[in-house]
Order: sequence, then structure tokens, then C-alpha cells
Amino acid sequence: GQQVMQIPQYQHVQEGEDFTTYCNSSTTLSNIQWYKQRPGGHPVFLIQLVKSGEVKKQKRLTFQFGEAKKNSSLHITATQTTDVGTYFCAGPTSGTYKYIFGTGTRLKVLA
Amino acid sequence: NAGVTQTPKFQVLKTGQSMTLQCAQDMNHNSMYWYRQDPGMGLRLIYYSASEGTTDKGEVPNGYNVSRLNKREFSLRLESAAPSQTSVYFCASSELSGLEFFGPGTRLTVL
Repeated sequence: GQQVMQIPQYQHVQEGEDFTTYCNSSTTLSNIQWYKQRPGGHPVFLIQLVKSGEVKKQKRLTFQFGEAKKNSSLHITATQTTDVGTYFCAGPTSGTYKYIFGTGTRLKVLA
Repeated sequence: NAGVTQTPKFQVLKTGQSMTLQCAQDMNHNSMYWYRQDPGMGLRLIYYSASEGTTDKGEVPNGYNVSRLNKREFSLRLESAAPSQTSVYFCASSELSGLEFFGPGTRLTVL
């Protein structure tokens, strides 16, 4: 079945450093979504990418969708303590709206 | 506009007991989902409903049943709870574009 992997599993950074998480799917995706989950909270939708090679920015966050639509990345510039949490990517199984989540990257920001 | 609501917030069951987790959304979304998240893990899809009266199995459906009696509500039933079903259960809803809104979760412990 479809698998969605993320690396790294954990990342500790000093406040002000940049952070990147990578998402790789075993199959081509029609779109990819990114979520943030704070400790003890629920996933919160960040963005959806649809087009091959698409790049979208939200303030300090930059999202990319690969040309082959099998990988994606989230880059955070100059991390802040408010960025702490786990970042998940999710993609739909082929021909459906059933979203499979990646394994997640847990970010800790040291002040 | 409450978004996605889930009841109960917490539940402790004994092995073999049954219970129903309730989920409701007030955004008039067609698609609804049930995910489970084990400690330190990602989210796994249990069941999906594309519209009222339709349901489809996800990655980990064994031991669960669902019911989508109307557009607003999607319930998850554990007929005979097992310790392996100890988890946090999240309900989510989405529009056709795939945007997803998660509820606050139900934390279930099976002893």
C-alpha cells in the first residue's frame, strides 16, 4: 500500500536557526497537505499543494511540491519557540480522498 | 460555528467493553474521517465517509465500526475494546478540495 515517510524524525534547533522537513511518498500524489500538531493538541491544517513544482510561502514557512509529485518539503526560516510541534505531511491514496499521513517530524526549538 | 466536535474527551474502558465515539461538524462538509494516533506516532486512517450513508475502510479498520446517518454526524464504535485500541482518536471533516478540519480528540484507555 501507499507509504508516506518523513525525515528527520526529530530535530532540535537553536532559536533563529532554519529548519527543513522532507516528505516522500511511494506513489504519485494528486496533492499534498501539511499539518502542525502542538504537544497535546490536534493537527492543524497549514497548506495544500496541487501543482507539480509548486512553491508557496506563509510568512517564515516555505512549502514545495516536487516535480514528480512524489515528494515535498517544509522549510522554516529563523525558527521561533512558537514553531515547536510535530509537522506532518499527508497525501490521498490514488483516486480517493482518503488521506495517508506521513510519519511526522518533531521540532524542538531551544531558546 | 463550532467546527468539529467530539465526545467524550476522555474515556477509560475495560477489555471487552463497548463504546461509541461521537463526532459532529457544522460546516456542511461531505467528507468525514476517523483517525487514531498512538503515543509518539503519526495518524492512521480508520474509516472514511465521502457522504451521508457511505463509508469506506482505511488503513486500520479491524475492531471498529462506523455509522454516517446524516451529513453532520459520523460515529465510531468499538464493539469489544482491546488494550491495543488505547489511543487518541481524531475525527476530521473536509470539503471536496481535501481541506481538513480536526476535532480536539478523544483520549481512550483500555485496561
